[in-house]
Amino acid sequence: GIQVEQSPPDLILQEGANSTLRCNFSDSVNNLQWFHQNPWGQLINLFYIPSGTKQNGRLSATTVATERYSLLYISSSQTTDSGVYFCAVVMIKAAGNKLTFGGGTRVLVKP
Amino acid sequence: DSGVTQTPKHLITATGQRVTLRCSPRSGDLSVYWYQQSLDQGLQFLIQYYNGEERAKGNILERFSAQQFPDLHSELNLSSLELGDSALYFCASSPTGRGEAFFGQGTRLTVV
Repeated sequence: GIQVEQSPPDLILQEGANSTLRCNFSDSVNNLQWFHQNPWGQLINLFYIPSGTKQNGRLSATTVATERYSLLYISSSQTTDSGVYFCAVVMIKAAGNKLTFGGGTRVLVKP
Repeated sequence: DSGVTQTPKHLITATGQRVTLRCSPRSGDLSVYWYQQSLDQGLQFLIQYYNGEERAKGNILERFSAQQFPDLHSELNLSSLELGDSALYFCASSPTGRGEAFFGQGTRLTVV
């Protein structure tokens, strides 16, 4: 099956800092989503971004499908940005809409 | 709030027991998915239904079963529970069998 790798696995930031999270995937995809899992376990949709660039406030994402990677940018980080960020993809060849998740990037923003 | 509702939020049960987790998708969404999140396996796809029919299956154990009812809500049944089944179980929904999926708050299952 498709492999999804996220880097770095852990990230410690000072409040106000910027960061870039990366997601590499091993096969062609027709769906890519970024999620934030907050400390209460809730999975929050950040971006649905099979290709191109999107921005939502301090967050933005870029997917280069032909090169099989996606980037999530966090600018001016806040303590509420802490949690785990997951990238998840749906392989073009997959039956249904099964999301395959990466291992996540655990982010801690210190005040 | 994603619009996907899962009940119960927390469940504690003994080994060997059977439980049922319930999911109500977002209004108008035809497809429902179940995922399991455990510490050692990460987030794993279990099964997908689309308008009442099974669409895709992951590494779902034979002790687990699911269905989607005519009103589109779904239930995940876990039986002969083992300690290793302790996990966070998520339901997600999407309007069609493709496209963006939205997740519920999860059911945290603890098997003691």
